[in-house]
Amino acid sequence: GAVVSQHPSRVICKSGTSVKIECRSLDFQATTMFWYRQFPKQSLMLMATSNEGSKATYEQGVEKDKFLINHASLTLSTLTVTSAHPEDSSFYICSARDVSSGNTIYFGEGSWLTVV
Amino acid sequence: DAKTTQPPSMDCAEGRAANLPCNHSTISGNEYVYWYRQIHSQGPQYIIHGLKNNETNEMASLIITEDRKSSTLILPHATLRDTAVYYCIGAKTSYDKVIFGPGTSLSVIP
Repeated sequence: GAVVSQHPSRVICKSGTSVKIECRSLDFQATTMFWYRQFPKQSLMLMATSNEGSKATYEQGVEKDKFLINHASLTLSTLTVTSAHPEDSSFYICSARDVSSGNTIYFGEGSWLTVV
Repeated sequence: DAKTTQPPSMDCAEGRAANLPCNHSTISGNEYVYWYRQIHSQGPQYIIHGLKNNETNEMASLIITEDRKSSTLILPHATLRDTAVYYCIGAKTSYDKVIFGPGTSLSVIP
């Protein structure tokens, strides 16, 4: 199946700093990518839909100025958590839609963010 | 996206078939049924999807009822590595967002 790669897989940052997570589709072009966060023992919560060349669409309750999403190319979307706080510590997961395989959505391995 | 309902948890004996049900009574005609699973601390893994015909691949089989209001994911010979949370999702093949429910936590028991 198609491969979606996230980097870094784990990151620790200090409160007040910003951290960037990258999501790449390795063997297909993705005009649409999705960002999720997941707290322990909970399901994935959609944060935003990232569209190549345009602004991301954020879900209700997600602060767009805090979670900056950039989808500058057909294979790369980035999520920047700005002014991170301990409550932002979570598992962040991206996914990308592969239109060449029936629009199947493939997920990255996830990125663990710990804010100290 | 269609709302889906799944049992919160299931057990299955190792080597036996695991049958995971999903109700999607509000699914529309152009929405596919997708199945994903998530092993602890990993990103979700695509398993299979279908529209109205039954589907089979190397991982599983998907049986969709004729009225499309429910489906069953079948893992023919469950192994311990199949222990995971399984998500059933209804989604169109356009640029719809994909919303996850709580899924079914499958435990494969030796």
